[in-house]
Amino acid sequence: GESVGLHLPTLSVQEGDNSIINCAYSNSASDYFIWYKQESGKGPQFIIDIRSNMDKRQGQRVTVLLNKTVKHLSLQIAATQPGDSAVYFCAEISGGSYIPTFGRGTSLIVHP
Amino acid sequence: NAGVTQTPKFRVLKTGQSMTLLCAQDMNHEYMYWYRQDPGMGLRLIHYSVGEGTTAKGEVPDGYNVSRLKKQNFLLGLESAAPSQTSVYFCASSYPPDRKFNQPQHFGDGTRLSIL
Repeated sequence: GESVGLHLPTLSVQEGDNSIINCAYSNSASDYFIWYKQESGKGPQFIIDIRSNMDKRQGQRVTVLLNKTVKHLSLQIAATQPGDSAVYFCAEISGGSYIPTFGRGTSLIVHP
Repeated sequence: NAGVTQTPKFRVLKTGQSMTLLCAQDMNHEYMYWYRQDPGMGLRLIHYSVGEGTTAKGEVPDGYNVSRLKKQNFLLGLESAAPSQTSVYFCASSYPPDRKFNQPQHFGDGTRLSIL
């Protein structure tokens, strides 16, 4: 989702739950998508990426789903841990460009 | 392997002062980028470079200059700092697109800059 003013959308979960973070992208020509994790005081850290010729990709405890029909991207985190607390944001790049467009992010809070 | 290193980590400037932010990467990446991040907003591209000796403007280039004299370094300069430039600045680097596909960017941990 999009942020309102200075506040990011927030997702609060309990430790051990599965988390789903959503991202709506704008450019139908985008063919490469990336999820980043940003912890407080740190730079964005690459989590997982997916190309437009796929609709699902799995990593360690994370899965990215891509629905090109409705231009929607999601990040699923299995068995969420307190260390997963961070801001997560997606980025999209359209073919022929190497400049990503970043979303504003979603704050994930994991309660022990 | 240090990845992307930014210096300094923090800086306070007075309006009108100048300074240079340094970004260094040890991954032999061709592409380098400077972003600013403000509260509640996504990363906004200031300038970028696709190779040594080349630079290009991003989304918000005004008030900034850059230089890429060496492949591993990308410098961001503020000639006359303004309060509106108070922000967190991130440098990133990446490989060029591989077989028409893009590569993820790797980020430094940022420079927190306050302009009084």
